[in-house]
Amino acid sequence: DVKVTQSSRYLVKRTGEKVFLECVQDMDHENMFWYRQDPGLGLRLIYFSYDVKMKEKGDIPEGYSVSREKKERFSLILESASTNQTSMYLCASSFSSGGVSSYNEQFFGPGTRLTVL
Amino acid sequence: KQEVTQIPAALSVPEGENLVLNCSFTDSAIYNLQWFRQDPGKGLTSLLLIQSSQREQTSGRLNASLDKSSGRSTLYIAASQPGDSATYLCAVRYFGNEKLTFGTGTRLTIIP
Repeated sequence: DVKVTQSSRYLVKRTGEKVFLECVQDMDHENMFWYRQDPGLGLRLIYFSYDVKMKEKGDIPEGYSVSREKKERFSLILESASTNQTSMYLCASSFSSGGVSSYNEQFFGPGTRLTVL
Repeated sequence: KQEVTQIPAALSVPEGENLVLNCSFTDSAIYNLQWFRQDPGKGLTSLLLIQSSQREQTSGRLNASLDKSSGRSTLYIAASQPGDSATYLCAVRYFGNEKLTFGTGTRLTIIP
């Protein structure tokens, strides 16, 4: 079974802190994604990565950055956390649609509930 | 604009009934469509993936259909159980795009 893990289930940080959210997948997927989920707004894509050291902005990248130094690991960084970044953060991974496998189902981690005080 | 809509936002049905959840999308150039389940406070669990060349997919009591020409997908749940209570999300991947566009979900409650 595909496994996507996230470093924390719950996290509480203070305004202005630098926050790291880590995601690891074990299926050798090319693509990795970070979403945030808010009531009434659904899931919105923050960033995604289609290869090591490659990244693309999603719909709401402001206030976030990402790092992908290894294929299995994708980090989301909040440079200076703010209260409006309190949210549920979800990581996902999939094979590339242009890759060897055409079956590119997206798999999600358990989520990190971040509260910024 | 590529949008995905799920109506209704919430649905309650008695245990044992068969039910259908709806998903509509505005652009028919889809690569695939995926149905997810989400329990409160948890991540998303993938239920079914339908490729653009397919008309339906089945897994146990779940059956998902896809009609690209009308921009619709349905998730059919047979013989519903209280454990089926969750939010169900559909998401579309369009050609030329690796990301998923999500609907806002249908919150399903199965009444024992």
